[in-house]
Order: sequence, then C-alpha cells, then structure tokens
Amino acid sequence: DAGVIQSPRHEVTEMGQEVTLRCKPISGHDYLFWYRQTMMRGLELLIYFNNNVPIDDSGMPEDRFSAKMPNASFSTLKIQPSEPRDSAVYFCASGVYNEQFFGPGTRLTVL
Amino acid sequence: RKEVEQDPGPFNVPEGATVAFNCTYSNSASQSFFWYRQDCRKEPKLLMSVYSSGNEDGRFTAQLNRASQYISLLIRDSKLSDSATYLCVAIIKAAGNKLTFGGGTRVLVKP
Repeated sequence: DAGVIQSPRHEVTEMGQEVTLRCKPISGHDYLFWYRQTMMRGLELLIYFNNNVPIDDSGMPEDRFSAKMPNASFSTLKIQPSEPRDSAVYFCASGVYNEQFFGPGTRLTVL
Repeated sequence: RKEVEQDPGPFNVPEGATVAFNCTYSNSASQSFFWYRQDCRKEPKLLMSVYSSGNEDGRFTAQLNRASQYISLLIRDSKLSDSATYLCVAIIKAAGNKLTFGGGTRVLVKP
C-alpha cells in the first residue's frame, strides 16, 4: 500500500490566489482528516470526514477554507483567496478514528 | 488555557539514559489517549495507545493518571534514533469524538 498520498508536496503562491490541496487516503479507511501545522499553533484539526460525509468542520479557520470528499478515494482542501498567514504544512490523514495514518504533507507558502 | 498541554522541551538526553515527560489535559471527559512521534519535517506517526492500566511497548512505557489528568511517556535506554517530537492526543467521545493534539515535546538524544 502506498500510504496516504498528498499533492502537491510544495506550493508557493501569491496572496489572493486560489490553492487546492489534494489527498488520496488509504483504501478501506473510513475516516479522513485535514490538519494544519505551524510553529506557533502546532497541529490543528481543520475538518474530518466519515464515509465521505463531513462530520466536524469547527476547526476550519474561516470561510476562505473549504473541503470536499466526492468519493472514498479523494479529498480536496481549497483556500480562496489565500493569505500569507495561511502558510503552513497541511496534512491529510486517514484511518479508523483512533489510529490515523498521515500523509507526507503539503508545505504551503503564500507570499 | 490549551486543552492539551506539553512541555515543548527540548529534553536533552544522553544516549542510554531514561527520559520521561508528561502531557496534561483539561477536559475530564477525555477518554482516549495516544502518543504520536514526529521526526523533523516529516508527518506524525502513531507510537502507542495509552491504556488506563498503563502499557509498555519495548523501551516505551505510557501511563494515564486520571485523577491528575495527565498522561506520561517514558523512554528507557534512549537511542539516537529516538530524537523526535512526541505529540500526545486526547479524544473526548462525549463531544463527538473531539480530537486534540498537544504542541509536542522535543527530545534530543546525544552520544
């Protein structure tokens, strides 16, 4: 199994641009999580899905952020418009609720 | 006050020594606990669950103290490869399985 796959691995964009992060979970996992990690705030849960349905999006910082999971093998996290304070590493994780397998992350830099 | 707090460290540990550190949680409704390990610029990986009776996995021992609301991780016979950041996780089932990561404790094992 290839594990959780995220793309792109690195993204550099300018303020105001739309950013789309992609995640392919491990096959058979019912849960999918999106996290953001920064030095200042640590690892924050943004949103998670169970069987493709969003369960808790209380961690999504504001309306500029949106996440979708159209099927069991794909999810996106979109930021529009992006701002410099969105710069962080974004992780996707899948698994059962108690045991999560993280992807390698997308390092986002917004200039 | 953060819901899950950790001493950020770093804990500088001589190779072969024992190191222990705690993670405190503020919500007494927290029911499940875990330790994750994160290497520099890598994704977090599950290290071990924390059971009420305490549990051991090789050189690692995890314990839960519900009365004082903290969990601990002890590493015996430290190896250079144990250098990493250790993240604790608390899950509150009564709050819809709300999952919260601590900020992490950095451990540096030196020869």
